[in-house]
Amino acid sequence: NAGVTQTPKFQVLKTGQSMTLQCAQDMNHNSMYWYRQDPGMGLRLIYYSASEGTTDKGEVPNGYNVSRLNKREFSLRLESAAPSQTSVYFCASGRSSPGYTFGSGTRLTVV
Amino acid sequence: EDKVVQSPLSLVVHEGDTVTLNCSYEVTNFRSLLWYKQEKKAPTFLFMLTSSGIEKKSGRLSSILDKKELFSILNITATQTGDSAVYLCAVAPRDNDMRFGAGTRLTVKP
Repeated sequence: NAGVTQTPKFQVLKTGQSMTLQCAQDMNHNSMYWYRQDPGMGLRLIYYSASEGTTDKGEVPNGYNVSRLNKREFSLRLESAAPSQTSVYFCASGRSSPGYTFGSGTRLTVV
Repeated sequence: EDKVVQSPLSLVVHEGDTVTLNCSYEVTNFRSLLWYKQEKKAPTFLFMLTSSGIEKKSGRLSSILDKKELFSILNITATQTGDSAVYLCAVAPRDNDMRFGAGTRLTVKP
């Protein structure tokens, strides 16, 4: 099915470990996004990429890096995980009009 | 600072009830307001609103936007247990930027 695919679905990390969350879309969208979702705080934008080769910071970029590998793929990297990064991470693609398509999420726990 | 506030934060109703979910916003610029439904996983798109006073409908769900008063409502009539979800409101002040509210958790009891 067409859409946004995220991997992994679940991950447990120890403080200080690193990891990369992968995201791929097959809808030929130029723009892709990484959000985190925490209880009571809604979805907050970490980074976005308006087109292949460009990335920009969102509301909460500290502690993260991103790579727009090609038009399809946009990865999010945690270089040194902290407990404050425990969250559910969503990748999305598309434009604000008519609305984004979201991946199914990655539940990350940092202990 | 761009801000989206949803109320109530949670709501419990019984099947057949009608519910109204609220979304107010303050943004430096306005392009559109969107409603999403989030069950276990990914948010799924419900409506996009850009013009005041024009109701969007899909089955038992409807939504309307008031750009003068800076709010939107989402109505669900004859609720069913399958309507149980978190409903997210988002405002796009510009392209490639969408600000989300904290969501309203709706629980529909049989």
